[in-house]
Amino acid sequence: GESVGLHLPTLSVQEGDNSIINCAYSNSASDYFIWYKQESGKGPQFIIDIRSNMDKRQGQRVTVLLNKTVKHLSLQIAATQPGDSAVYFCAEKTMNRDDKIIFGKGTRLHILP
Amino acid sequence: DTEVTQTPKHLVMGMTNKKSLKCEQHMGHRAMYWYKQKAKKPPELMFVYSYEKLSINESVPSRFSPECPNSSLLNLHLHALQPEDSALYLCASSPDREKLFFGSGTQLSVL
Repeated sequence: GESVGLHLPTLSVQEGDNSIINCAYSNSASDYFIWYKQESGKGPQFIIDIRSNMDKRQGQRVTVLLNKTVKHLSLQIAATQPGDSAVYFCAEKTMNRDDKIIFGKGTRLHILP
Repeated sequence: DTEVTQTPKHLVMGMTNKKSLKCEQHMGHRAMYWYKQKAKKPPELMFVYSYEKLSINESVPSRFSPECPNSSLLNLHLHALQPEDSALYLCASSPDREKLFFGSGTQLSVL
């Protein structure tokens, strides 16, 4: 079957360090991937996306890397700040499945002072 | 207006009650979504509307009944729910059926 998941439920990072959050997916037909940030009491917020014809995409302080060979996705956050504390979800969409966007398990990012 | 607004923010209902969750967006998005999220779990897709027509129903029990009266509104009608239906219900809209814009959700408790 298909699934999108994460390796670690919790990640603790020192303020100012870089954070790397990983995601593994099993559906080789997935062609669009998204990272969302969910703060307590809020809905998920779009961070960055990447299509399967790319292997890297950069935003403001964030970079997404896609390794299709091993079906692995990562989110890198540079110079982590207290405001980055949240749960991070990867999500996938498969072209032949129209409107379905499926979320992975999530990683809680905890910032150490 | 770049927000998805969900009401109410909190709802407590009994198993015999009928209630409705509401979602509104004025971004001109033609795809709207309902997700269910249990504590410490990822959002699970329930329904998708595209151009006001139901395009996806993820085998959701009939005690949940979605409705899309127009391109800006999405409702979720609830009837005879079970305690295990207690969760955060998230509405989202999308301009392209890829990037989702979420509301803050309705926290539902079924007693």
